[in-house]
Amino acid sequence: GAGVSQTPSNKVTEKGKYVELRCDPISGHTALYWYRQSLGQGPEFLIYFQGTGAADDSGLPNDRFFAVRPEGSVSTLKIQRTERGDSAVYLCASGGSSYNEQFFGPGTRLTVL
Amino acid sequence: DQQVKQNSPSLSVQEGRISILNCDYTNSMFDYFLWYKKYPAEGPTFLISISSIKDKNEDGRFTVFLNKSAKHLSLHIVPSQPGDSAVYFCAARVTGNQFYFGTGTSLTVIP
Repeated sequence: GAGVSQTPSNKVTEKGKYVELRCDPISGHTALYWYRQSLGQGPEFLIYFQGTGAADDSGLPNDRFFAVRPEGSVSTLKIQRTERGDSAVYLCASGGSSYNEQFFGPGTRLTVL
Repeated sequence: DQQVKQNSPSLSVQEGRISILNCDYTNSMFDYFLWYKKYPAEGPTFLISISSIKDKNEDGRFTVFLNKSAKHLSLHIVPSQPGDSAVYFCAARVTGNQFYFGTGTSLTVIP
């Protein structure tokens, strides 16, 4: 079966622009996570959804970052007024009932010029 | 504030020998620990985990050891194989499903 997919795989934008990053989780997975991985760092937790609701958004760095999962499946991470410091790989993971079951997508590499 | 630390950015090991990857943490509220393996241009893949109430978990060539008093865990791979060459991330969970990752250790297994 299909794994977690993320689109686009690469996104180059200019400082100040708005971007949307999409995550298609594994079918049937209720949990969905967004992480940000900067160069030389490990994945940094951003937000966790259980179903349609954000169960924990404490990792979002500021109010320029927002994520939705309106139907409990696909999720979109939205970044307003992008800054050069937002450049990173954004990883999405989905999971079932076990906390072990985080299946990661390949990530979206965001570059803000 | 890095709550999970992997102090060795890289490790090289001869094929057939043991690889030992280390991880330290600061938060005593972590209740579960995981190791992930990552190849270039792919997302991390779950490898093995351990509950905070255990001190050892073994799965084939992979064993994770947890020393709660030292806030330290390690991943042992034996025997190491060239296909094990990847970046390994240690991760820890607090209740509520928030996970903290280390910065990774790049393992190279030399044939």
